[in-house]
Order: sequence, then C-alpha cells, then structure tokens
Amino acid sequence: GNSVTQMEGPVTLSEEAFLTINCTYTATGYPSLFWYVQYPGEGLQLLLKATKADDKGSNKGFEATYRKETTSFHLEKGSVQVSDSAVYFCALSDLALGNEKLTFGTGTRLTIIP
Amino acid sequence: GAVVSQHPSWVICKSGTSVKIECRSLDFQATTMFWYRQFPKQSLMLMATSNEGSKATYEQGVEKDKFLINHASLTLSTLTVTSAHPEDSSFYICSALNDRGSTEAFFGQGTRLTVV
Repeated sequence: GNSVTQMEGPVTLSEEAFLTINCTYTATGYPSLFWYVQYPGEGLQLLLKATKADDKGSNKGFEATYRKETTSFHLEKGSVQVSDSAVYFCALSDLALGNEKLTFGTGTRLTIIP
Repeated sequence: GAVVSQHPSWVICKSGTSVKIECRSLDFQATTMFWYRQFPKQSLMLMATSNEGSKATYEQGVEKDKFLINHASLTLSTLTVTSAHPEDSSFYICSALNDRGSTEAFFGQGTRLTVV
C-alpha cells in the first residue's frame, strides 16, 4: 500500500536559517505529491504540489522536487521567517489508480525563533 | 474561493451522548468529501469517504455504526459520533473535492472533540 515517511519533529530554527524537511514515499502507482501546512488553530492548507517526476512545486519561498529515483519530495526554504512556524504534512494521492484519497505523513512541527 | 467551513470548531460532551459535526463547502459543490481523525502528534487518518446521495465508504477498522456520515447535499456532509466515549476525543477534519474537476482537496479548520 501507499505510505509517506517524513522527518520527525519538532524542528526549531532561527529566523533566516535554511530549512529542509525530508519526505519519502512508497506507492503502487504514479502518485501526485503534496505539502500541506497547518497554522495554529487553522485547517490544512495546500502549500505546493507536484504531479509527475522531476516537477518542482513552489510557493511562498518553499519548494520541493518530485524525485522518482529516490522516491522523495523534500521541502526546502532558503530563509525562514517567524510566520512560517506551523506543522507541515507531506502527502500523496495515487490518482492513476483512481484513488483521490490522500495518504499523509505524521507531520513536522516547525518553530522559528526571532 | 474554495472555502470549507467546519462547525463547531470545538465541542465538549458527556460520555454516552452523540455529537454532530458539519462540513460545508461554501462556494463550490462537492460530491465527494472526506473525514479524517488526527491524534496528538500523529498524522491524519482517513476515516471515510462521503459521497452525496450514497452511502459513505469507511476505511478498515472504522465503526460505521459509531461514526455516522450523511452527505445530504452537494455542499454539506455531517459526521455524527454516537454514544461518545473518552477514547473518541480527537481532532476531526473534513475535506472536500471541487466537482469542477480539480484534484485539490480543500480542508475545513477541524473540530476538537473532548468527551468527559
């Protein structure tokens, strides 16, 4: 079956530091890959996505590249801000099998200190 | 656009009572909605897929008689936790797929259920 493994948190960084949150996956088909962000007290919001190998998703300074050879979709940002403090979820959706359900990783709590 | 509203955002109930949680797509129609449960420091676990006009599809291990799902219209799905017990205390989240073909799921803000 499908699964997503992501870096366990919590992660604490200073403002303007470089961020990497690792995510790897296993899937039986050709998944689309997503990063969702959950700010305190809010629902999940789609941060970025990639639908095929070598695609790069990007948004708000974050980016992630769909690496089929390493089955990875690591999230990166060059210079984090306090407002980036949130929980980040890596997820996949195996649309090739007609399965629109999302499989989530365990989430990584990120705290940015001034 | 593409807003999903979940209500209530939090609820406290006594053991043995039932609680209803609503999930509404405010500006789009959603034939398909999903209900998730999130335990502390854990991932979202899909409970069931809610389809307008038909019975929900439950994931393995989820008691359909305990977690009743009704998707009566294209903009509303409800989850009723029946005869709630303290172990049902959790964060419940819904998401909805826009009928216009987008593969993006839009999430509600979640409902924190505490059973005392």
